[in-house]
Amino acid sequence: GAVVSQHPSRVICKSGTSVKIECRSLDFQATTMFWYRQFPKQSLMLMATSNEGSKATYEQGVEKDKFLINHASLTLSTLTVTSAHPEDSSFYICSARQKGGRTNTEAFFGQGTRLTVV
Amino acid sequence: QQQVKQSPQSLIVQKGGISIINCAYENTAFDYFPWYQQFPGKGPALLIAIRPDVSEKKEGRFTISFNKSAKQFSLHIMDSQPGDSATYFCAADRSTGFQKLVFGTGTRLLVSP
Repeated sequence: GAVVSQHPSRVICKSGTSVKIECRSLDFQATTMFWYRQFPKQSLMLMATSNEGSKATYEQGVEKDKFLINHASLTLSTLTVTSAHPEDSSFYICSARQKGGRTNTEAFFGQGTRLTVV
Repeated sequence: QQQVKQSPQSLIVQKGGISIINCAYENTAFDYFPWYQQFPGKGPALLIAIRPDVSEKKEGRFTISFNKSAKQFSLHIMDSQPGDSATYFCAADRSTGFQKLVFGTGTRLLVSP
């Protein structure tokens, strides 16, 4: 299947700093990328959806000024956690869908980023 | 209507046994039902998926059974192995139009040696 690369896999940052997480589709063009947050032993919680070249659509309750999403190209989306606090510590996962046709295609997931804010 | 209900929350199966995980949905607009496997510290990976035009799909030891009238689908893992120990998520999706994957709550499977 298609490959989605997420970087970094782990990051520790100090409270108040910003952290950027990258999500790349390596062998396909991703029209749409999704960002999820996952708490321990819980399901994936969709944070936002980003379409290449347009503003991201955030889910209810997600602070768009805190979680900045940029989808500048068909192969790259970034999530920046601004002014991180310990409560932002979590596992963040991106997902990408291939471009093409009228039908939605398979969603492929990155390997996730474990963010720890100290 | 957007929810996908998944059960059980956790499951312990002996090696060689059959693991069964069930999901139910409400929205009849869903027409694609993937299952994902997630190991600790990793992102989900597609395991197997089914569309409502068939009642069963089998890939190796993994089988999806689909009941369109009941709006239910299930994952069967035959000859379960310790390496199958992971969290499994069912999901529901639409083939057309903009739609987000709707995930079930997950099932933690432990296959004992």
